[in-house]
Amino acid sequence: GAVVSQHPSWVICKSGTSVKIECRSLDFQATTMFWYRQFPKQSLMLMATSNEGSKATYEQGVEKDKFLINHASLTLSTLTVTSAHPEDSSFYICSARDGGGREGTDTQYFGPGTRLTVL
Amino acid sequence: GDSVTQMEGPVTLSEEAFLTINCTYTATGYPSLFWYVQYPGEGLQLLLKATKADDKGSNKGFEATYRKETTSFHLEKGSVQVSDSAVYFCALSSYSSASKIIFGSGTRLSIRP
Repeated sequence: GAVVSQHPSWVICKSGTSVKIECRSLDFQATTMFWYRQFPKQSLMLMATSNEGSKATYEQGVEKDKFLINHASLTLSTLTVTSAHPEDSSFYICSARDGGGREGTDTQYFGPGTRLTVL
Repeated sequence: GDSVTQMEGPVTLSEEAFLTINCTYTATGYPSLFWYVQYPGEGLQLLLKATKADDKGSNKGFEATYRKETTSFHLEKGSVQVSDSAVYFCALSSYSSASKIIFGSGTRLSIRP
């Protein structure tokens, strides 16, 4: 089946530093990847949609200058949390869409998540 | 807009009990419906899906049937195991949501030995 990996699986950083999280589709090409944030015991909140070769589309309330997304190839998207602060500590999950774009047939496959702790 | 409503947890059952987690949806058009499972400390795994009315998704003993007349996609399992303890998310994807996945709030399931 389709596999999506994330790296690192966890990271601890100091306040004010930047952290990059990678998301890779291992056995399929993903023209679209999604980045989510999950707070403890809550559902996933979509942050942005990342399309290969174009700018990401951010959800309302998500700071695009704070969360930089790059989707440079069909198998890799990166999320950079710039000037991280303790309130950015969270579980970040990416997903990649595998499908032809026909209505009702798209399936997203999720990465294992990256736990970010900002001290 | 599109939305998913699922029963609140936590749900606590004894091993071998019957499980039902209710899920209903609101969507324009004909969405695809999913159940995802999240084990402690991990990301989401696709458990099962259904793409059209009356389809039944099944995996690992779990089943859910796409009921368009009741806009529901309830998750069921005949005999749960301790290893089924996790958070379960009902979700949909459709053209009206720009193929984004809309998640329910999640239901935490705990199985007692």
